Amino acid sequence: DAGITQSPRHKVTETGTPVTLRCHQTENHRYMYWYRQDPGHGLRLIHYSYGVKDTDKGEVSDGYSVSRSKTEDFLLTLESATSSQTSVYFCAISGQGDQPQHFGDGTRLSIL
Amino acid sequence: GDSVTQMEGPVTLSEEAFLTINCTYTATGYPSLFWYVQYPGEGLQLLLKATKADDKGSNKGFEATYRKETTSFHLEKGSVQVSDSAVYFCALSDRAQAGTALIFGKGTTLSVSS
Repeated sequence: DAGITQSPRHKVTETGTPVTLRCHQTENHRYMYWYRQDPGHGLRLIHYSYGVKDTDKGEVSDGYSVSRSKTEDFLLTLESATSSQTSVYFCAISGQGDQPQHFGDGTRLSIL
Repeated sequence: GDSVTQMEGPVTLSEEAFLTINCTYTATGYPSLFWYVQYPGEGLQLLLKATKADDKGSNKGFEATYRKETTSFHLEKGSVQVSDSAVYFCALSDRAQAGTALIFGKGTTLSVSS
């Protein structure tokens, strides 16, 4: 299994609070991604990173920010959580070229 | 933009039945195609992939052939088992750009009973 660890695995918080999710990899892969999974939508890209300090927006980036200060860590932050951000969040990594993406086990986030 | 359409589920089968999950795609470039599987409470696992026309990806008895003329990548298995019960996602990526995101279909839930 690809060395990807997401933390926390579960979180319940209140509307308006800041939330940070962490993705840690041990594969030294260049590319890292954050997706959210919602019923009826499959997975949708939030943000991705193509190197340290290099990030870009995905399809559903509003309300989210990311940071990558080290190759192994990719952080997703909800500055002020809203109920519409209740979802399961997945981190993925991939190497160079046409290598497939490998996924972490997900973080289930509930915003009340 | 690029998109993936897969058959809606749930698909309910008896053990040893034949499985087909349809997947078609729309892409401006020449994508790579993937099937991922998600077991309950887990992340997505790569099941198989194909990177060019007429390629057949296969793994654990599952197969899918990249059909450029019909823009399809249907998943098949000759004899399903209860342990195959999961959600299956078809996805594509733009081969021209390394590191680009996957575009997923909405997923198809498979339930196999003994």
